[in-house]
Amino acid sequence: NAGVTQTPKFQVLKTGQSMTLQCAQDMNHEYMSWYRQDPGMGLRLIHYSVGAGITDQGEVPNGYNVSRSTTEDFPLRLLSAAPSQTSVYFCASSYRVAGELFFGEGSRLTVL
Amino acid sequence: QKEVEQDPGPLSVPEGAIVSLNCTYSNSAFQYFMWYRQYSRKGPELLMYTYSSGNKEDGRFTAQVDKSSKYISLFIRDSQPSDSATYLCAMTPPSGNTGKLIFGQGTTLQVKP
Repeated sequence: NAGVTQTPKFQVLKTGQSMTLQCAQDMNHEYMSWYRQDPGMGLRLIHYSVGAGITDQGEVPNGYNVSRSTTEDFPLRLLSAAPSQTSVYFCASSYRVAGELFFGEGSRLTVL
Repeated sequence: QKEVEQDPGPLSVPEGAIVSLNCTYSNSAFQYFMWYRQYSRKGPELLMYTYSSGNKEDGRFTAQVDKSSKYISLFIRDSQPSDSATYLCAMTPPSGNTGKLIFGQGTTLQVKP
């Protein structure tokens, strides 16, 4: 049972490049979320999904896109990377409303 | 003003000390209250989960919620070097959907042997 798996673990991009952060969970969780973590800011919600085909914006959605075609996968797309998107990104999943969030190990992104 | 305030520390204590970590929040409609522990370069993991006002104990850890004061605490007894981590408080908005957890900034704790 792998839990929540994120790839890649590290990535360096140039300004303007696009990329996709992958997230997969094998716990059959309906709820999946993407957070970014910056020093002094805690974890901030980017996008979340309550099930396949359903997504919604969180606190800081600008510059990011998501889709949820299957229960297992929830990729996060950076459309045109900017230095302000340098951060650690965490994917998380939960099996029910108000349930425990299970996090991946994070993806560290640097935008030059 | 942030919805959830948490002193980022760092907090340094000797082994065996009692540690008190705190968060305040502004929205009285928050429902569920959680503490996550995050080791360096790892994802957060759930430590404690409470709903109502009062205390909840799990081994060396006690979570306390005071809804009237909009204040939550995490106490660690007999602290160990392995407790060195960042502790994040989190709470759910009125909808209760933990897909939209609101986190504090996190407090970095170091327990010295």
